[in-house]
Amino acid sequence: DAGVTQSPTHLIKTRGQHVTLRCSPISGHKSVSWYQQVLGQGPQFIFQYYEKEERGRGNFPDRFSARQFPNYSSELNVNALLLGDSALYLCASSLGVIDGYTFGSGTRLTVV
Amino acid sequence: AQSVAQPEDQVNVAEGNPLTVKCTYSVSGNPYLFWYVQYPNRGLQFLLKYITGDNLVKGSYGFEAEFNKSQTSFHLKKPSALVSDSALYFCAVRDRWAGSYQLTFGKGTKLSVIP
Repeated sequence: DAGVTQSPTHLIKTRGQHVTLRCSPISGHKSVSWYQQVLGQGPQFIFQYYEKEERGRGNFPDRFSARQFPNYSSELNVNALLLGDSALYLCASSLGVIDGYTFGSGTRLTVV
Repeated sequence: AQSVAQPEDQVNVAEGNPLTVKCTYSVSGNPYLFWYVQYPNRGLQFLLKYITGDNLVKGSYGFEAEFNKSQTSFHLKKPSALVSDSALYFCAVRDRWAGSYQLTFGKGTKLSVIP
């Protein structure tokens, strides 16, 4: 079975641009979460979706948005990119409430 | 609110020696606790979790962790370290009764196993 897949793997954008990151969860997983990991830090929670509804939002500005599609895949959108948005963006899927998350390999975003 | 503390930025251990990576947590209710490992330029790999039951949890690659409710700790252990265990380790917590599945991570501990 395929794991959590994220695309693209690497991305370079200019300040002020917009970016869309994509995530496909493990088959059967209905929960998808997004995390931002800045170099040298632990992952920080951005969003969680379950059954296409937002179930949680971390302390990120409104420039960050996300959605989940009927097939449970998800997109993370970031507008008006700042240099500080440079990070590894991780997507994780989960089967249920008490299961551990399975993480993808991430998208490395560099803003120049 | 939930939080995790990993008090050591780096742990060095000789190959073959036992290792411990420390983690303490804070949640309003009862916790779900997790350990993940991250290799350079990679995502997080699940090692083990505590949900309920036996306080000693066994996970992947010979790792185990002990849940101590009175000390609010969940330290990761391995009886005999391998050079290939060298990586970044993250402890994470989720409040069992929270409506969100949000995990809160510690800042990570870099483990170096010296040959």
